[in-house]
Amino acid sequence: LAKTTQPISMDSYEGQEVNITCSHNNIATNDYITWYQQFPSQGPRFIIQGYKTKVTNEVASLFIPADRKSSTLSLPRVSLSDTAVYYCLVGGGYGQNFVFGPGTRLSVLP
Amino acid sequence: GAVVSQHPSRVICKSGTSVKIECRSLDFQATTMFWYRQFPKKSLMLMATSNEGSKATYEQGVEKDKFLINHASLTLSTLTVTSAHPEDSSFYICSATLGQEGGKLFFGSGTQLSVL
Repeated sequence: LAKTTQPISMDSYEGQEVNITCSHNNIATNDYITWYQQFPSQGPRFIIQGYKTKVTNEVASLFIPADRKSSTLSLPRVSLSDTAVYYCLVGGGYGQNFVFGPGTRLSVLP
Repeated sequence: GAVVSQHPSRVICKSGTSVKIECRSLDFQATTMFWYRQFPKKSLMLMATSNEGSKATYEQGVEKDKFLINHASLTLSTLTVTSAHPEDSSFYICSATLGQEGGKLFFGSGTQLSVL
């Protein structure tokens, strides 16, 4: 299983773009990179998933360099409601376990 | 789509009793379900993986006789905490995957267990 490393915490202000980088040096060929958001006392929520290059949806963008040893979640113009823990998960495919790293605690300040 | 329902959301019980937590995939068939445990301000800790119709695979250090997992159908998995003690108090979260490439997870809302 690919181990992931993320910053433990980040602070930002409303309206700013936030970039959270995840390192996964031993990512396997068939691994996908998936980001989840978790609010206190709730289950995590899927944000975005990618395999290579760039993926964008209505809430975020995911940048993956050619070597796939890292990935960056980009949240455009964050608001107070984006204060949460963000987890980078590397894996996927059939029958594989999904082990979470420590995540990044994002605090958005007014 | 892909909604996972988890019940109850909160349970308080006396020490020594057993508690069952249900996890249902409402609009899809979940090939695989996962059970996690989470302590305050900590990450999710994978407890076990269950596949429909077969025995669950437990992570190292998780007592299978303490945490009984049943995945009797493609839409229902249950976690029973047997003879619960205060140290079992935690936030338990289930998740399910469609089994597709990439393995996107869909999570339940979690169950806060408090053992007195």
